[in-house]
Amino acid sequence: RKEVEQDPGPFNVPEGATVAFNCTYSNSASQSFFWYRQDCRKEPKLLMSVYSSGNEDGRFTAQLNRASQYISLLIRDSKLSDSATYLCVVNWGTYKYIFGTGTRLKVLA
Amino acid sequence: SAVISQKPSRDICQRGTSLTIQCQVDSQVTMMFWYRQQPGQSLTLIATANQGSEATYESGFVIDKFPISRPNLTFSTLTVSNLSPEDSSIYLCSVEGMGGEKLFFGSGTQLSVL
Repeated sequence: RKEVEQDPGPFNVPEGATVAFNCTYSNSASQSFFWYRQDCRKEPKLLMSVYSSGNEDGRFTAQLNRASQYISLLIRDSKLSDSATYLCVVNWGTYKYIFGTGTRLKVLA
Repeated sequence: SAVISQKPSRDICQRGTSLTIQCQVDSQVTMMFWYRQQPGQSLTLIATANQGSEATYESGFVIDKFPISRPNLTFSTLTVSNLSPEDSSIYLCSVEGMGGEKLFFGSGTQLSVL
């Protein structure tokens, strides 16, 4: 099993749609989880951290399911500008972060 | 969040030469991380650089190929030596934010080897 696994996509969705991505991880001891956004040929940028209670930031909602060892990202009312690759990142221990391969999202006009 | 200046942003190099990438952080940090992102792939950690000691390399990466310097708490360099076309990638430096969580990245160096 891969350490951190994501569906590579692409997810092609129309503007205004709701889209959700999942990410599974294999290390049950992991404590910190993040979603990053990466635009083509740019550096990853932190989108949001993922907490046990779930967290929301505008149109974005992240949730953690420790029992099933996955995190999710929900994007509501998709915008053209949401088109990017979304990276799932899991903290594997001190100074150790494991990146998923990313899920490509294309929002279509 | 940390502000990281990375340069060069891109370079085209000949086979057999070396490229040195610099990263400057706007605050003192204990660890700096160097990642490689090959085309269409996710990020892979090359090494972790601590000031005053040798860098710690991940499996598959060796000091002779990727020498790292960390002369102070705000600066690091990564050299990619004896370049081959397989080294064509984006190289990213990174630091943890305050509190020890969350990574912040430099803008990346896109390396193409001919």
